[in-house]
Amino acid sequence: AQRVTQPEKLLSVFKGAPVELKCNYSYSGSPELFWYVQYSRQRLQLLLRHISRESIKGFTADLNKGETSFHLKKPFAQEEDSAMYYCALLLSNFGNEKLTFGTGTRLTIIP
Amino acid sequence: GAGVSQTPSNKVTEKGKYVELRCDPISGHTALYWYRQSLGQGPEFLIYFQGTGAADDSGLPNDRFFAVRPEGSVSTLKIQRTERGDSAVYLCASSLGGGVFGTDTQYFGPGTRLTVL
Repeated sequence: AQRVTQPEKLLSVFKGAPVELKCNYSYSGSPELFWYVQYSRQRLQLLLRHISRESIKGFTADLNKGETSFHLKKPFAQEEDSAMYYCALLLSNFGNEKLTFGTGTRLTIIP
Repeated sequence: GAGVSQTPSNKVTEKGKYVELRCDPISGHTALYWYRQSLGQGPEFLIYFQGTGAADDSGLPNDRFFAVRPEGSVSTLKIQRTERGDSAVYLCASSLGGGVFGTDTQYFGPGTRLTVL
C-alpha cells in the first residue's frame, strides 16, 4: 500500500539558516510527488510538484527514487516560511486520482 | 477568480444527527475530491468525482457517508447518524480533470470544521 512519511512533526530553524523538511514514500508504481503548504488561517495550497522541477519561493525538492525520498529544501529560511507543510503522493490510474498525504511538519522560523 | 468554496465553515451537531456539507468547485473544473483531516493528521482521501459520477469512493469509511454531484458542479457530502469520531475538518478540492493523468493541480477549499457532540 502507498504511504507517505514525514518524520518530523515540528521543526524550528533560525532565519537565514538552511531548511530541510523530510519526506519518504512507499509506492510500487511510478510516483508523482507534491509539497503542499498551509499558512496560518489560509487554505491548503500547492507549493511545488516534482514533475515541473521548478523552484517556488526559493524551495526545491528532488525526487530520489533510490532512497524513495522527496525532501523539501531552502538554502536561507525567511520568517514568512513559517507554516504547515505536507508531502503528498498522487495515485493516478485510469479513473482514479487521489492524493495520499503525510502527517505534516510544522515549520517555525525563529527571527 | 473565485476559488473553491465550502459551506458551512463550521458545523456543530449532536451524535446521531444527519449533516450535509457543501462544496462549490472552481468553475469549469470537472474533477472534485473530498478529503477528511483529523487533528494532527494530514488530509485523507474520501471520494473523487469525474463529472457527475463517483470515479473512486474507496476512502469513504462506511455506509453512513455518501456524496453526490448531480449536475457535475456542486457536491454535497452527507453523513448519517453522526458519531463523535466523525469530528474533523472536511476538505473539498477541484481540478481541471481530463488532462494528462497526474498533472492536474488540485485546488483546495477552506474546509468545513465538523464537531459532533
